[in-house]
Amino acid sequence: DVKVTQSSRYLVKRTGEKVFLECVQDMDHENMFWYRQDPGLGLRLIYFSYDVKMKEKGDIPEGYSVSREKKERFSLILESASTNQTSMYLCASSPSKGVSPYEQYFGPGTRLTVT
Amino acid sequence: DAKTTQPPSMDCAEGRAANLPCNHSTISGNEYVYWYRQIHSQGPQYIIHGLKNNETNEMASLIITEDRKSSTLILPHATLRDTAVYYCIAADNYGQNFVFGPGTRLSVLP
Repeated sequence: DVKVTQSSRYLVKRTGEKVFLECVQDMDHENMFWYRQDPGLGLRLIYFSYDVKMKEKGDIPEGYSVSREKKERFSLILESASTNQTSMYLCASSPSKGVSPYEQYFGPGTRLTVT
Repeated sequence: DAKTTQPPSMDCAEGRAANLPCNHSTISGNEYVYWYRQIHSQGPQYIIHGLKNNETNEMASLIITEDRKSSTLILPHATLRDTAVYYCIAADNYGQNFVFGPGTRLSVLP
């Protein structure tokens, strides 16, 4: 069965802290994604990666960075957490581009609160 | 860009068929129609996809009009556990335009 796991379901951090959100997939997928989801704004793409050590900015990369050292793991980093980064963070993975069909598999999400 | 429009909310009685419409009038010939759903406090879940033909799986059926400008997701016997936000996405095999809009909030009522 397809599986994407995220390191925490709930996380509370203080303003200014460095925050790491980890995502692991066991499907040998090439592509991995980080989204945030906020009420009324839907899912917004932060960063994605289509290969190890590769990354691309999504729609809202400001204030975030990512790391992909291994194929199965994609980390989202908040260098200095701020209250406006309080959100639900969702990780997803998908097989290679051009493989039919293009499906994304999501993890359960991490609800991050920055105080 | 192919964009989709969906009604913001719908109700359905438990045990009845839920028919969720989606308009994608600018869809390109190489773009699929994907349906996902998101149950409260969970990540989105893939339901079904199609290109031209109608599709059916264990979860749902997808009816795509001949001109491909709209589609309908059918949950044949809705249960309370089908209460969720349903997203319709038009995207190609390369993930181009794979964008989650606001979706349709389906409430299945007892």
